[in-house]
Amino acid sequence: QLQLQESGSGLVKPSQTLSLTCAVSGGSVSSAGYSWSWIRQPPGKGLEWLGYIYHSGIPYYNPSLRSRVTISVDRSKNQFSLKLNSVTAADTAVYYCARQANYGDFTGVFDPWGQGTLVTVSS
Amino acid sequence: QSVLTQPPSASGTPGQRVTISCSGSSSNIGSNTVNWYQQLPGKAPKLLIYSDNQRPSGVPDRFSGSKSGTSASLAISGLQSEDEADYYCAPWDDSLYGPVFGGGTKLTVL
Repeated sequence: QLQLQESGSGLVKPSQTLSLTCAVSGGSVSSAGYSWSWIRQPPGKGLEWLGYIYHSGIPYYNPSLRSRVTISVDRSKNQFSLKLNSVTAADTAVYYCARQANYGDFTGVFDPWGQGTLVTVSS
Repeated sequence: QSVLTQPPSASGTPGQRVTISCSGSSSNIGSNTVNWYQQLPGKAPKLLIYSDNQRPSGVPDRFSGSKSGTSASLAISGLQSEDEADYYCAPWDDSLYGPVFGGGTKLTVL
């Protein structure tokens, strides 16, 4: 059974870079037909897609954050990562990683999700 | 502000049927299938409906999805207290080349 687990710093200072990693177990980040996504949820608010990276290593980002986001994959460790630079308090959120399907009726489906990790931006 | 419009709240009593709407545009719902996610309090979202009206294994048939034009709906029949959660619609958006989420609907079971 595929499982995802986020890890990283829970507290980041304004203007610095947020860095998170999602470890994948029970499956491979190199599996064809899937990409690996990051989604966030500010406290008390809705979900926002940040971006994804194809199994081939090609990333796509939400245009609203494209200038600040980098998603990469480390096949040797079977994990993928998120970097968000120049953070502000508005970036405080629970950050989720998820597997995204890219085939047939499952295109765009996020399943499964990690449990999420809260990142607070504060000095 | 999401490009998809969901009512912020919905409610019903046990046993009732409730529907949650999701209104979009030609670049998302109008040209792509819709997925729905359920987020229980304090938990990560979980896939509830995919491809407009398909249920993943393990999701009760009390949950159903439909779509017409640029709008989609999630229906929950035989409402139960454990259905109290936030529900999000999420189609692919061709202009984003990525998925977009509705603002979410908080369902309260009275």
